[in-house]
Amino acid sequence: EPEVTQTPSHQVTQMGQEVILRCVPISNHLYFYWYRQILGQKVEFLVSFYNNEISEKSEIFDDQFSVERPDGSNFTLKIRSTKLEDSAMYFCASRPGTSGGTDTQYFGPGTRLTVL
Amino acid sequence: AQSVTQLDSQVPVFEEAPVELRCNYSSSVSVYLFWYVQYPNQGLQLLLKYLSGSTLVESINGFEAEFNKSQTSFHLRKPSVHISDTAEYFCAVSDIGGYQKVTFGIGTKLQVIP
Repeated sequence: EPEVTQTPSHQVTQMGQEVILRCVPISNHLYFYWYRQILGQKVEFLVSFYNNEISEKSEIFDDQFSVERPDGSNFTLKIRSTKLEDSAMYFCASRPGTSGGTDTQYFGPGTRLTVL
Repeated sequence: AQSVTQLDSQVPVFEEAPVELRCNYSSSVSVYLFWYVQYPNQGLQLLLKYLSGSTLVESINGFEAEFNKSQTSFHLRKPSVHISDTAEYFCAVSDIGGYQKVTFGIGTKLQVIP
C-alpha cells in the first residue's frame, strides 16, 4: 500500500540554523499538508499546498516557514532560523483530491525536530 | 473556527474489557469526523471516519464510533480490547470541501492492562 514517507526521522539542530524537512507524498495526490505536534500538546495544522501554491496557513506559519514542491515527488518544509519553541514532531500529509471531496489525508511517520 | 475536546487524557482498561473514548466537537459548519491512532514511535493512522450516511462507522479491527449531531459527539468504542490496542487515539474534524485542514483533539492514551 502506498504511504507518505518523511526524512529524516530525527533532526537535531542549533538555534538559529536553517532546517529542511522532507516529505514524499503518495503519488498522484494533489493536496499536501504540514502539521506539527509539540510534546504533550495537540497536533496543529501549519499549512496546506495545492496547485503549487499555499492554499491555507495557520498563524503559526510565519515568515520563518516556507514550503516548496521542488520536483514532482518531494514536498519540503523549511524553517529559516530555528527557535527553541520549534522543537516538535512535524507530520506531512497528502490527500488524493478526488472522490468529490470525500477522500481523506494520509499522514507520514513524522520528523522529530530538536532545537538546542 | 473548529475545536475538538477529548476529556480523557489517559484511559487504563483491562484486556478484554470494553472501552469508550469520548470526543466532542464544535463547529459552525458541517464537518467530517475522524479517529486517528498513533502507536508508539509511529505516525498517525486513520482508524475510521464519518463523512455522511449511517451515523455508526466501524474499523477493521473492531472499533466503532457513532456520530451524534445533537450532542456534537463522536465517541469511539470497542467491546473487548486487546493488548495491541495500546496507543494514543486522536479525534479530529475537517471542513467539508475546501482544503480540508484537520483540527485535532489533544489525544487519549489508551493503556490496556494484561
